[in-house]
Amino acid sequence: DAMVIQNPRYQVTQFGKPVTLSCSQTLNHNVMYWYQQKSSQAPKLLFHYYDKDFNNEADTPDNFQSRRPNTSFCFLDIRSPGLGDAAMYLCATSLRLGGGQPQHFGDGTRLSIL
Amino acid sequence: GESVGLHLPTLSVQEGDNSIINCAYSNSASDYFIWYKQESGKGPQFIIDIRSNMDKRQGQRVTVLLNKTVKHLSLQIAATQPGDSAVYFCAENMAVQGAQKLVFGQGTRLTINP
Repeated sequence: DAMVIQNPRYQVTQFGKPVTLSCSQTLNHNVMYWYQQKSSQAPKLLFHYYDKDFNNEADTPDNFQSRRPNTSFCFLDIRSPGLGDAAMYLCATSLRLGGGQPQHFGDGTRLSIL
Repeated sequence: GESVGLHLPTLSVQEGDNSIINCAYSNSASDYFIWYKQESGKGPQFIIDIRSNMDKRQGQRVTVLLNKTVKHLSLQIAATQPGDSAVYFCAENMAVQGAQKLVFGQGTRLTINP
């Protein structure tokens, strides 16, 4: 049973055209994360929500935004995608912040930029 | 900065043999470590974790060893099967600028030969 669900699995957008990726969870976890993963690289954290508190990584471009309307859903908005934003985007959840808490990942959305 | 790294980017083993994937970390204050398995086109899947107050933990066909003296983490997979072919990431939980974060190593691709 999928617990972290990402839609769509594949997304194609045009250069500069805004795109939104979605993530939902059935775990009722407090924390939701967005990672970017490029080919043959480790996931790179973009930001996370702890409940409604948004925490941006210092090196995340302003082009990337996120929304969490409720506990179950979280969205990644890319306002003006560039060619360098083509990647796999992974959503993850954890019960709480801090040590001893594994993150549970969805299967990602692969974003292509035309 | 401090980071988690892997000694070998690729590893090939014969089906049925045991495999060992290694990981070096540099943050002595890290208190929690996770191994993830990522198959092609999927998100990272939790395999096993270990806290810093332990030096060994066993799961089904997998064992994680933690050597805090030399800051080394390893994942042992017994009797490898074709389904074990994947990229394996170690990750450490560390405090970065007051926030707890999961930092991933670069990954090792494990290939099982028939």
